[in-house]
Amino acid sequence: EVQLVESGGAVVRPGGSLRISCAASGFTFDDYTMYWVRQAPGKGLEWISLINWDSSSTYYADSVKGRFTISRDNSKNSLYLQMNSLRTEDTAFYYCVKDVATMGLYFASWGQGALVTVSS
Amino acid sequence: EVVLTQSPATLSLSPGDRATLSCKASQSVTFYLAWYQQRSGQAPRLLIYDASKRATGIPARFSGSGSGTDFTLTISRLEPEDFAVYYCQQRSNWPQLTFGGGTKVEIK
Repeated sequence: EVQLVESGGAVVRPGGSLRISCAASGFTFDDYTMYWVRQAPGKGLEWISLINWDSSSTYYADSVKGRFTISRDNSKNSLYLQMNSLRTEDTAFYYCVKDVATMGLYFASWGQGALVTVSS
Repeated sequence: EVVLTQSPATLSLSPGDRATLSCKASQSVTFYLAWYQQRSGQAPRLLIYDASKRATGIPARFSGSGSGTDFTLTISRLEPEDFAVYYCQQRSNWPQLTFGGGTKVEIK
């Protein structure tokens, strides 16, 4: 069974930094593109970043480009999101998501989410 | 950016009813569209991808259709667990992956 468990969510001041992590199990981690998708409380879904299987390709939504960095460690079956220069509008649940295929660009399996609150 | 517009915003139906949800794209996404279900307090779940392919473990009462700019998710007979929010998502304009605003299916 695929399991994705996020950790590291916290309350952070505007302008601050935070790194959240995702531990993956139940599948061959380095076979799949991985994603971060966020959802502000009571709002819709927003894709923010993807990383391919060997980290050679990373992409970001315009809303986080230059501030957030996605990375992965295939030896640890782990995905990360480094968030810098945080803004109040970055407050959201951050979901770690597995692709439907190697590069299917659909979101097949989701973690339960890590809550990041940006507030003074 | 490809904008996805979902309608209606809310659909009020009874268990056993047929549900028809719409997703319209601002430009053609060919058949590169998916549907997700999000129950209250839960993470989203992939239902349909490539417009009409059911994801693993998804019941046959869920079906997807459409191409180009107009897509439909149909739930043939609503079960109690189907009352939720549904989102569409396109991958045609990758790497910019976008979602629609969602349709809430509520109990009438």
